[in-house]
Amino acid sequence: EAGVTQSPTHLIKTRGQQATLRCSPISGHTSVYWYQQALGLGLQFLLWYDEGEERNRGNFPPRFSGRQFPNYSSELNVNALELEDSALYLCASSLGGRGTGELFFGEGSRLTVL
Amino acid sequence: LAKTTQPISMDSYEGQEVNITCSHNNIATNDYITWYQQFPSQGPRFIIQGYKTKVTNEVASLFIPADRKSSTLSLPRVSLSDTAVYYCLVGDATGTASKLTFGTGTRLQVTL
Repeated sequence: EAGVTQSPTHLIKTRGQQATLRCSPISGHTSVYWYQQALGLGLQFLLWYDEGEERNRGNFPPRFSGRQFPNYSSELNVNALELEDSALYLCASSLGGRGTGELFFGEGSRLTVL
Repeated sequence: LAKTTQPISMDSYEGQEVNITCSHNNIATNDYITWYQQFPSQGPRFIIQGYKTKVTNEVASLFIPADRKSSTLSLPRVSLSDTAVYYCLVGDATGTASKLTFGTGTRLQVTL
């Protein structure tokens, strides 16, 4: 069974540009979570989607947004990129309300803003 | 929010048992306690999950006292490959109570 897949693996952008990151959850999982992990730091909660709707949001500015598609895949958009947005962006999926909250993570997308 | 507190780092020799404790004083009734392992530049990987008492699987044990305000991850006979960051996560299936917020994690260094 395929795990959580993320693309692209690496992305290089310049300040002011937009970045789009994609995530495919494990088959049967309806919840998708996005986390930001700056180099050497912990995981910061960004967004949670379940059944196509945004359920919760971390303390990030509105230029961080996303959506979940009918097939439960998700996309994270970061507008007006700033240098401090450089980080590993991790996506995780879970069974949503049918589970116990166990998260399955992808390998991440490394975003570098120059 | 069920904020978690863990030691920042721990050192161990290969072959020893390692116990990492996490404090979560504000844990809610519906919250589970889950531990994850993360290697550099990789996504965290599930180790073990529990609600109360003791849980054991092939890689670790999780001890949770009756008041559930803390939990201890026990790694038996660690090896060099267990060098990683370990995160304790407290949350429920809905995610609304805790936003599934990770703590700072415990960096475990295993040496010969």
